[in-house]
Formats: sequence, C-alpha cells, structure tokens
Amino acid sequence: KNEVEQSPQNLTAQEGEFITINCSYSVGISALHWLQQHPGGGIVSLFMLSSGKKKHGRLIATINIQEKHSSLHITASHPRDSAVYICAVVKDGATNKLIFGTGTLLAVQP
Amino acid sequence: NAGVTQTPKFRILKIGQSMTLQCAQDMNHNYMYWYRQDPGMGLKLIYYSVGAGITDKGEVPNGYNVSRSTTEDFPLRLELAAPSQTSVYFCASGFGQGGTDTQYFGPGTRLTVL
Repeated sequence: KNEVEQSPQNLTAQEGEFITINCSYSVGISALHWLQQHPGGGIVSLFMLSSGKKKHGRLIATINIQEKHSSLHITASHPRDSAVYICAVVKDGATNKLIFGTGTLLAVQP
Repeated sequence: NAGVTQTPKFRILKIGQSMTLQCAQDMNHNYMYWYRQDPGMGLKLIYYSVGAGITDKGEVPNGYNVSRSTTEDFPLRLELAAPSQTSVYFCASGFGQGGTDTQYFGPGTRLTVL
C-alpha cells in the first residue's frame, strides 16, 4: 500500500465549480507539499504546510495532522487550472526526502 | 535568472549505452535533487545533494551515479542503460532541506532506452 494516497485519480469539472482534491497518508510527517504539473510536464510547488491552512489566490490547502489528511481546494475553477495535482509528504526524521502520491488529473471544461 | 535548467530534453539510448543528464541552477541553492517519474507512479527520489561535494542516495539509486563539484551543477550519470530506466527525469533545487523548503523543478528530460 502506498504511503501517500490521493483521491480522486481523475476529476472533470465545469468552469466556475469548487474543486476539492484529497490526500491521505499513513506515516508520521513533518510537512506536506502540494505541487502542480502542467500538461507540458513542468512542475511547480504550490504549498508547503505542517499545520492549519494556507491560501494563495483561488487555491486553499488544509491539513489535519491527527487525521493524516490534507485537502487542496480550488475556488471558481478555470480551464487554465487543468493539470495534475500532486501531494508529497516528508516523513519524520527524513527531512530531505519527499514521498509523492500518484497525482490527481484535473480537467476543467469551459 | 534561468532557474533550474536540464539538458537534453529528449534522448533515446540503446541498452548498455551511457549518458549524463545535465542539471544546473543559478539561484545559489545548496540542496539539489534528482527524481524519476514513471507513468502512473509518483515521483521517486534517485539522489540528492546538500552542497558541493556532498551527495546521498534516495529511494531508487541503483544504476545511477551523481557528483556535485560546484553549487550550480548536479549531473546524473547512467552507466549501463537498461529499459527499466526509461522514464522522465526531473532535477530540483532549494535553499533549505527538501522537506521544509520549496523545491524548484527543471523542465525534465524524457529518456527512452531501447
């Protein structure tokens, strides 16, 4: 079983919808990252968080350490949000090593 | 400021051939990483470096070698290419330890071994 699981694997939304992508993990962690991979392959870091909530523009990331769960929300989705969203965790005691989920493929239709 | 650059973008190798994937960053980052991404799988760490002259193995180091002679460059060497090394390779860098700081990724190198 993967230590980091994402759901759903694939998601199709209409422009303007509120989107939620989930990440669950089974190990103790010191931090969690959300990344975005564009259709051309480039990877961009969106958030790093170890507690609570962070917001950047239309993107919101939350984490519940006790429940070993994080969510990425996109408000007022737009076709340019279409990408793969990747969750990665840092296990306690292994601060240089990210463990990645397999990603959620999001398609936002106009 | 070019960020993280990788060359080549694409390469086809025959089994048993060798090659070096180049990675350079101009942000004066101490930490650099090599990942591979296979279809349907999450990225996996191959090797990382915490500074010039210091490297360490990641999750999947077999079949690869690295060196870090300068802060800017972190090449990845494949000595005897095998079909299992067909993948997309990403280099990344950051100021602080990988788990506690933002990582900046290069555009990737798509490698096919036939």
